[in-house]
This record gives sequence, C-alpha cells and structure tokens, in this order.
Amino acid sequence: AQSVTQLDSHVSVSEGTPVLLRCNYSSSYSPSLFWYVQHPNKGLQLLLKYTSAATLVKGINGFEAEFKKSETSFHLTKPSAHMSDAAEYFCVVSENTGFQKLVFGTGTRLLVSP
Amino acid sequence: SAVISQKPSRDICQRGTSLTIQCQVDSQVTMMFWYRQQPGQSLTLIATANQGSEATYESGFVIDKFPISRPNLTFSTLTVSNMSPEDSSIYLCSGSRGEVTDTQYFGPGTRLTVL
Repeated sequence: AQSVTQLDSHVSVSEGTPVLLRCNYSSSYSPSLFWYVQHPNKGLQLLLKYTSAATLVKGINGFEAEFKKSETSFHLTKPSAHMSDAAEYFCVVSENTGFQKLVFGTGTRLLVSP
Repeated sequence: SAVISQKPSRDICQRGTSLTIQCQVDSQVTMMFWYRQQPGQSLTLIATANQGSEATYESGFVIDKFPISRPNLTFSTLTVSNMSPEDSSIYLCSGSRGEVTDTQYFGPGTRLTVL
C-alpha cells in the first residue's frame, strides 16, 4: 500500500527566503508523485508532478521538486518565497498499478511573513 | 486541463436530512472522484465514479450513506444521506482521464455544516 508523510505541519518563512516542504513516500510499485496547493476557500491546484521521467520537476510559480528514490523523498522547494505562496500544500502519491488512486499527505501550512 | 464547478458552494443542513452535491466538468473525463476533507484534515477518497457502472467505494464509506450518480462523462452527483454533525466537511470532486500519471483536476469544494 502507498502512503505519504509530510514531515512538517507548519513551515514559517520570511518573504524572499527559500522554501522547503518535506515529503517522504512509501510505495510498493513505481509511483507517480504530485504536489497540490490549496489557498483558503479555494480548490486544489496542481503545482507539479513526477511520472518517472526527469527526477527534477519544475512546476508553476517557481516551485520545483526532486524525486530521490534512494531516500524515498519528494521535497518541494522554491528559491524565494512570496506573500502569495501562503497556503496549504499537499504531497500526493499514486501507484502505477493500472488505475489512478491518489493518497494525500496530511498537508503543510506555509506561512510567509513580510 | 479541465475546469470543474460544484453546486452548492456551501450549505447548512439539519440533522437527519440529505444533501445532493453536483459536480460539472467543462470537458469529458473518464474518471470522477469524490473526496471528503474534514476540518483541519487532509483529503480522503470516498469513491470513484465511472460512467455506466456502480461507483467504487473506499473502506469506511458505503453506498447507502453516500450514493453517487454518473450519468455522463461530464457530470456526477454525491448525496450525503441522513446527515449528522460528523458529516460536516468540505466535499470535493475531481476528474481525470484515468491514467495513473494523469493530472486530477479538482473542483472548489462544497462546505457542508450539519447542525
């Protein structure tokens, strides 16, 4: 069975400083991995996804993530935080077993201070 | 990409009543999904809805409590039946072409409060 662990429930950064949101996964098969963002009272938006191509994945709004199989990690980074990045971020795994089923992590709330 | 809308966006309901949530996609999708997000929690998959077949429910969710319809490739409904305060959550639908690597596009959610 697949699972995702988001290591931090809250991360606080100052505007202009780097962002690191940590995610570890467990999967019996070759997984697909996603990062979604949820702004208050808004739906979920896909930031980026890994699907067994390049291990360094670039997404929208300057975010990127690196798939590290040896560490079973898929951490999300951004070089410089913006106030608009404040939101809830979900790491999500889907096993490549023939049909799609997403398993969500518990989420990390990113707080950005001026 | 796909744009997904949900109705209603929010509702306040009395214990024991039922509410039907509608999910509309602006393009045809193979698979539609319904999730629950309890206050302060992550998303939990309720069921997968495919056109022309019964919905597939996850452990802990049953058809009598959460009946689902999928009449065509762009529309689905979820009914929350015989509601109790524990059903107060955000309910989200999503759609995708169904391949494991495909993106799931999410609706904005329906915020349900049961008194």
